[in-house]
This record gives sequence, C-alpha cells and structure tokens, in this order.
Amino acid sequence: NAGVTQTPKFRILKIGQSMTLQCAQDMNHNYMYWYRQDPGMGLKLIYYSVGAGITDKGEVPNGYNVSRSTTEDFPLRLELAAPSQTSVYFCATTPDRNSNQPQHFGDGTRLSIL
Amino acid sequence: DAKTTQPNSMESNEEEPVHLPCNHSTISGTDYIHWYRQLPSQGPEYVIHGLTSNVNNRMASLAIAEDRKSSTLILHRATLRDAAVYYCILREGPMNYGGSQGNLIFGKGTKLSVKP
Repeated sequence: NAGVTQTPKFRILKIGQSMTLQCAQDMNHNYMYWYRQDPGMGLKLIYYSVGAGITDKGEVPNGYNVSRSTTEDFPLRLELAAPSQTSVYFCATTPDRNSNQPQHFGDGTRLSIL
Repeated sequence: DAKTTQPNSMESNEEEPVHLPCNHSTISGTDYIHWYRQLPSQGPEYVIHGLTSNVNNRMASLAIAEDRKSSTLILHRATLRDAAVYYCILREGPMNYGGSQGNLIFGKGTKLSVKP
C-alpha cells in the first residue's frame, strides 16, 4: 500500500529557480491538500482540490500554483523560488470533506532555498 | 475549525501510561475531535477521533468529557517510538457547508518526550 507518495524527499534551490513538488495517491480520494510546515510550527494550508479539475487557495497560496488533471496527482509548482519558501511541504488526502474521515499524509519534501 | 488548547510539552517514562489533555471550550455539537501525531522528520499520522463517546483503537484511547469541552488522549504504555508532537484538532460537522474545506487547522501541539 503506497498511500500518498511525495517526490523528491529533499531539494536545494537557488533563488529565482522553479520546481514542481509531486504528490501521488492510490486511494482514489477526491480531496487533496498541500501544507507547509515551518520549524517549530504547525502545518498551514497552501492549496487544496476537491476533485480533478477543481483547485482553490488556502491560507498561504502566494508564490505557488497547483493543478489537478487526474484524481491521483496533485503537483505543487514554485515559479520563482524565494528564501521565505524554505520549509517542509506535506501533501494529504481524504475521501471527502466529511469530518468523520481521517487525512492521510505523505512523508514530506524538505526544500531549502539559498 | 474551532480552537484547541494543549500544553506545549509533556514527559513520560517508558512503559507508563500517558494522558495528553486538550481543551476545546468553543466546540459545537457537530464537531469531531481528531488527534494526529508527528514523529520526527515524518508527516502527521492519524491516531484517533471521536464525537461524544470514548473511543479505543490499537494505537490509543480517547476520553471525551461529558460536556465535550475537553478530551484526553491516552497512550496505555508509552514506548520510545511514541515520542512525537501530538495535535488535537476539531473538524466541523458535515452540515456546515459554508465552513472549512475539510482541511485540518494545526496548532503547535504537545511535544511528548519518553524517557527510557
């Protein structure tokens, strides 16, 4: 059972570079989320998707873009990397927005921007 | 999602029970109480959730106060592997269609240390 797979696990970028963080799930869940976690803090929502073709902004979307062309994949794009985007990024899924359903998280991508 | 209050840190000895408290005085009638934990260098992991009654699973027990304004996560025998940050999170009930997008709102949680 793969669950939620995030790639890469680690990455170092230079300021102004771009990259795509990948998230893939094999649980056929409709809802997918991208969070970021800064040191010593809880997770903050960047973007989310309620199904293929539908995405929306979360609490901290500036500097990021997402797409959802399939149920399985939800990539997060950084167009112009900035030092403030140094963080750990987590992807999560859940079947729907029902409060009785747990969320499933990937192991994260640790991103440093120098 | 409504707000929760947890102690910043707690310590436990290995093989002893651990009681992690959470206050949620503004909880509404349809909010579920969820607990997640985050081991070092890993993503959050679901532990348990409940609405009104106490709940048990293979990982832990959840004791919910009768007025639902507080809850306690119980680890019956702490192991070194249980050292983690534990998050208590309220999730809005399904009838609140104008509310959250189903995402989890994380506080700082309780950092649990387990001593051998």
